[in-house]
Amino acid sequence: SQELEQSPQSLIVQEGKNLTINCTSSKTLYGLYWYKQKYGEGLIFLMMLQKGGEEKSHEKITAKLDEKKQQSSLHITASQPSHAGIYLCGARFTGTASKLTFGTGTRLQVTL
Amino acid sequence: NAGVMQNPRHLVRRRGQEARLRCSPMKGHSHVYWYRQLPEEGLKFMVYLQKENIIDESGMPKERFSAEFPKEGPSILRIQQVVRGDSAAYFCASSTDGSEAFFGQGTRLTVV
Repeated sequence: SQELEQSPQSLIVQEGKNLTINCTSSKTLYGLYWYKQKYGEGLIFLMMLQKGGEEKSHEKITAKLDEKKQQSSLHITASQPSHAGIYLCGARFTGTASKLTFGTGTRLQVTL
Repeated sequence: NAGVMQNPRHLVRRRGQEARLRCSPMKGHSHVYWYRQLPEEGLKFMVYLQKENIIDESGMPKERFSAEFPKEGPSILRIQQVVRGDSAAYFCASSTDGSEAFFGQGTRLTVV
């Protein structure tokens, strides 16, 4: 089974609508990272969360890490076509802090 | 400060040939990670290196694949005797101290 589960797997929203993507871990997180990938391109770093209860925002994107450090959510407010892409959560787990493990991604489409 | 540079961006190899993928980390970054992404699949960790050392190679196939990060020069991911199943996008990421990792644009390997 996946160590990191993302939901939903895909999402289609109308421009201007809000949306939330979730990332659930089967282990305690040492650090949680959100990235965005456009088709055929590399990953763009969005945010890193390390402390339980931490919340960070960048423009219209907000990410939170729950108190128990096993789940994170990414919230986009008033979505725009430029938000379209694949959102990936990555994690370092306690005890194996070296490598970054990724979820399977959430594919977001924003319609006009 | 240039980002993580990967070359070539696209590589075509015939079955049985060798593929060499290069990754120049961001300036000041001494940690390098290699990932493979198959079509419609997530990012799979391959190997984590620091200068002249392999820290974690738990994701590397046992045969034909090797990686190095010499004291001078880029990190190299080498695939010997390529097969069609090696066709994928290979991404490199770098970080300063194992925290945030920044990704390159990837090398798309096609084996014909």
